[in-house]
Amino acid sequence: LAKTTQPISMDSYEGQEVNITCSHNNIATNDYITWYQQFPSQGPRFIIQGYKTKVTNEVASLFIPADRKSSTLSLPRVSLSDTAVYYCLVGDMGKAAGNKLTFGGGTRVLVKP
Amino acid sequence: GAGVSQSPRYKVAKRGQDVALRCDPISGHVSLFWYQQALGQGPEFLTYFQNEAQLDKSGLPSDRFFAERPEGSVSTLKIQRTQQEDSAVYLCASSLREGSYNEQFFGPGTRLTVL
Repeated sequence: LAKTTQPISMDSYEGQEVNITCSHNNIATNDYITWYQQFPSQGPRFIIQGYKTKVTNEVASLFIPADRKSSTLSLPRVSLSDTAVYYCLVGDMGKAAGNKLTFGGGTRVLVKP
Repeated sequence: GAGVSQSPRYKVAKRGQDVALRCDPISGHVSLFWYQQALGQGPEFLTYFQNEAQLDKSGLPSDRFFAERPEGSVSTLKIQRTQQEDSAVYLCASSLREGSYNEQFFGPGTRLTVL
């Protein structure tokens, strides 16, 4: 399983763009990059997933360079409610077992007024 | 609602007691996962079911932990002879397809406190 490294915490202000970069130097050919968000006292929530280049949905954008050794989750114009822990995960979507999600410590994002 | 539900939401047990935690996944979801989350840490994988088959239980910390999903829907995580180190939030997640990296839908968790 590809190991991921992401910052422990980040502070931001309402209305700003937040970019969280995750390093995954030993990502494998079949691995996808997935981000989850977790609010206090709730289970994690899937945000976005991608394989290469750029993926955008109504919540975030995911930028993946050509070498795929890192990825950046971009949250546009954050609000106070975006304060949460964000987890970067890397793994093979095609494997049914023996390929468990490894969350790590995540990045704690604090959005200030 | 149509989400994953877990019960109870909170459980306090005396050391040595047995506990049973229930997970109701989203109807029709093939995959079901259990995770343990200690305070301030990310969730850690415990076990994985594909329908009623337990395909991966490598994350279960000891033989005191047992999980089942007999009819391929509701699942129960049982912890025997609870210890203080078992105190954590236990999360259940389900996914429409096989495999860990398809989108998983998490329940709110059961917070277990062992005194």
